[in-house]
Amino acid sequence: DSGVTQTPKHLITATGQRVTLRCSPRSGDLSVYWYQQSLDQGLQFLIHYYNGEERAKGNILERFSAQQFPDLHSELNLSSLELGDSALYFCASSQTTNTGTDTQYFGPGTRLTVL
Amino acid sequence: DQQVKQNSPSLSVQEGRISILNCDYTNSMFDYFLWYKKYPAEGPTFLISISSIKDKNEDGRFTVFLNKSAKHLSLHIVPSQPGDSAVYFCAASDNYGQNFVFGPGTRLSVLP
Repeated sequence: DSGVTQTPKHLITATGQRVTLRCSPRSGDLSVYWYQQSLDQGLQFLIHYYNGEERAKGNILERFSAQQFPDLHSELNLSSLELGDSALYFCASSQTTNTGTDTQYFGPGTRLTVL
Repeated sequence: DQQVKQNSPSLSVQEGRISILNCDYTNSMFDYFLWYKKYPAEGPTFLISISSIKDKNEDGRFTVFLNKSAKHLSLHIVPSQPGDSAVYFCAASDNYGQNFVFGPGTRLSVLP
């Protein structure tokens, strides 16, 4: 158990809908990262928040947005969903912003299925 | 444009033998390199890392080698165990955390 929690575990929805994925980081971690893993694909970095502020953006679509709240939990909002958005979405947390030296601890993921 | 490449999607090795997983990168600004392991239905877990100022880092059965001039790193697992069967992701980061990229992964199967 990494200490990072993600809800829900599974989500099934229809095209055009909007969903919110939630992540609670490990106690004491200030950084939250979101990743997308499509079928047979690697992990695509989406976005990084540190202590409530956006720190870095990766391959995140304009239909997607995220935020980190004062209690440090984070939400990833996916809107106007398309079939291709079906994927595993992972959240990770770390203590600082240094992605090189600071270990990221991953949650178990949310599996999103868009029908 | 893939900045981090793992050209072998899968690898099978006999138990007790050496597993060598390879990773290539294109961005010379990367300063840190990490390996993560992922079991099915779980999130990735950190395995080992190396800074660009080193060429080798060892942790038990796991050793990572870095060849900066070739922009190549490899993960050696000796001896390989069936429990090592997983997907291994290579990742690279710049010094500022502004660019953090995972490779596509290599599925390792260790056969008993």
